Amino acid sequence: HLQLQESGPGLVKPSETLSLTCAVSGGSIAAPEYYWGWIRQPPGKGLEWVGTFHDSGNTYYNPSLRRRLTISMDTSKNHFSLQLTSVTAADTSIYYCARLGYQVVDTWGQGILVTVSS
Amino acid sequence: QFVLTQPPSVSAAPGQKVTISCSGSSANIGINRVCWYQQVPGQAPKLLIYDSNKRPSGIPDRFSGSKSGTSATLDITGLQTGDEADYYCGTWESGVVVFGGGTRLTVV
Repeated sequence: HLQLQESGPGLVKPSETLSLTCAVSGGSIAAPEYYWGWIRQPPGKGLEWVGTFHDSGNTYYNPSLRRRLTISMDTSKNHFSLQLTSVTAADTSIYYCARLGYQVVDTWGQGILVTVSS
Repeated sequence: QFVLTQPPSVSAAPGQKVTISCSGSSANIGINRVCWYQQVPGQAPKLLIYDSNKRPSGIPDRFSGSKSGTSATLDITGLQTGDEADYYCGTWESGVVVFGGGTRLTVV
C-alpha cells in the first residue's frame, strides 16, 4: 500500500528558502513507470502544479516557479525533496507530494501547510 | 487563471444526479486523458476518475466520467451527503499537469 508523507517547517520567513521532503513507503521512487512531484494549494483556493521528476533525470517545473525551484530525489532513502527560494506570502500553501502515472495523479500525500510570514 | 474551466459551484438534492463540466482546449483535453479528483474539506484530493472514464478500485459506479472533444464531464448519480466536496478536473498540456479551478458540490 503506497503512502507518501510530507515533512518540513510549517513557517518560513519571507525571502528565505522553503524546504520540504516527501517520504515514500510501499513503493520505489526509482520505479520506471512513475513520475513523482509536488502540487500546492493556497488556503481556500485551487490546485497548482509545482513540478515533477522521473528517476531517469527528466524534470518538469511550473514556468512561474522555475527560477526559484529545485526538486531532487534520494533513492537510497526513497524520498524526494522540494526547495523553493526567495519565498513570499504568495507561496503560502498546502503542499502535497504525489505519484503520477501515465497522465494521472494517482496517489497524494496528506499535505503540509506552509505559511510564509515574519 | 486556471487552464481548465469549471463552474464554481453546483448543487442538487440527495438521490438526484449532478453533472460537473470541464472545458479545455485542443492543447490539453483535446489530446490528453482527463482525470477527476474529489477533495473533501480538510483532506487531500483523491483520484476519482482517470483516463476520462475509468474508476480506480473502490470508487462506486455512481461516479462516471466522459470526454468529448475539448470538454469533459463528471456525473454523480444517487447523490449522498457524503459527496459534498470540491471536484477538480485535471489533464496534461505540453507534458505538465493542468487543473480546473474546482467545483464545490453542495447536497441540499
